Amino acid sequence: QVQLVESGGGLVKPGGSLRLSCAASGFTFSDYYVTWVRQAPGKGLEWVSYISSSGTTRYYADSVKGRFTISRDNTKNSLYLQMNSLRAEDTAVYHCARLGPCDNGVCSKLEYWGQGTQVTVSS
Amino acid sequence: QSVLTQPPSVSAAPGQKVTISCSGSSSNIGNNYVSWYQQFPGTAPKLLIYDNYKRPSGIPDRFSGSKSGTSATLGITGLQTGDEADYYCGTWDSSLSAVVFGGGTKLTVL
Repeated sequence: QVQLVESGGGLVKPGGSLRLSCAASGFTFSDYYVTWVRQAPGKGLEWVSYISSSGTTRYYADSVKGRFTISRDNTKNSLYLQMNSLRAEDTAVYHCARLGPCDNGVCSKLEYWGQGTQVTVSS
Repeated sequence: QSVLTQPPSVSAAPGQKVTISCSGSSSNIGNNYVSWYQQFPGTAPKLLIYDNYKRPSGIPDRFSGSKSGTSATLGITGLQTGDEADYYCGTWDSSLSAVVFGGGTKLTVL
């Protein structure tokens, strides 16, 4: 069965960095676009970024553009999110998810989600 | 605030029907497929409806989706206490080049 397991979260000071990982199993990872979505405490879902199956196409939310970098290693079935210049408002649970078929980069279906990893930005 | 607009909460009695609306614009709902997600407290969201009205395997037909113009609707019939959860609509926004979500709707089964 499809599994997505996030790791790498923790407590970091404002301005600091963190790298999240997402280990995928149960499907051919290299065939799918994957994405990061976050959820601040008591708030709704906020999309962060996605990356195409080959890694050549990446999109970011305006709120993280220039600070976060999404990447993947298809040989390790893994997705990553490098987060720099972290702010208090980046505090959230970060979920990775597998996207359904995307048509010319248009992706509207998040098929499977991981349980998430907590990121807390505080001094 | 969210790009897509949902009511913060809805409620109905067990066995009844409820609908949750999701309003957007031509750059998102108007020209792209809509998905709906169900989330219980402390757990990951789960895909409930995709491509406006399709149900993934294992989702009961009590859940339905529809779209008209720049709005979408999730319907739930035969409400059960186990349906109490947060529900989110989502789609692609072609102007933002981004996945967008509604703010979420908390369903209470009285």
